[in-house]
Amino acid sequence: SQKIEQNSEALNIQEGKTATLTCNYTNYSPAYLQWYRQDPGRGPVFLLLIRENEKEKRKERLKVTFDTTLKQSLFHITASQPADSATYLCALDTGRRALTFGSGTRLQVQP
Amino acid sequence: KAGVTQTPRYLIKTRGQQVTLSCSPISGHRSVSWYQQTPGQGLQFLFEYFSETQRNKGNFPGRFSGRQFSNSRSEMNVSTLELGDSALYLCASSLEYQETQYFGPGTRLLVL
Repeated sequence: SQKIEQNSEALNIQEGKTATLTCNYTNYSPAYLQWYRQDPGRGPVFLLLIRENEKEKRKERLKVTFDTTLKQSLFHITASQPADSATYLCALDTGRRALTFGSGTRLQVQP
Repeated sequence: KAGVTQTPRYLIKTRGQQVTLSCSPISGHRSVSWYQQTPGQGLQFLFEYFSETQRNKGNFPGRFSGRQFSNSRSEMNVSTLELGDSALYLCASSLEYQETQYFGPGTRLLVL
């Protein structure tokens, strides 16, 4: 069956360090993968989209990689700040005009 | 541009009742998708509407239905509520199912 896996355990890091979040998927061949940020009680906010023919994409302190052979995406936040604390969701388009989301990883950046 | 708005923000219902949630997309956006989010199941796709037509549907029972109006506003309805329907219901809009989805703040539904 199709599955998207994100580390369900919270990731705790110190301010200034790089946070790396993982998204693995099976039985999909997505044309692209997205990352969203969600704060408690609020809707997800789009961060980055990376296409299957792109290896890496950057936006300010954010970097996403996409390895279609490993079926994995890595999401990095460099020089992390306490304000980066949130849940980060990866999402795949399944080709049916529907996003399938992972369960999310909660990031806690300690000052 | 104003973002996606959802009303009401919070709702308490009892089992067996029905509920209607409303979503106003970003101006000019014609695609509206609905998602259910629970701690156990995460974010799950309910359905997507475009130009008043349902184009896609997730794996939810027929108690969950929706519609879209000519101004792109959308409503979803849940009939015969069950305790397990307690969730955050999120609406997202895009121009024409472009890849990026713009989410509203959600409606928190509690079924007692």
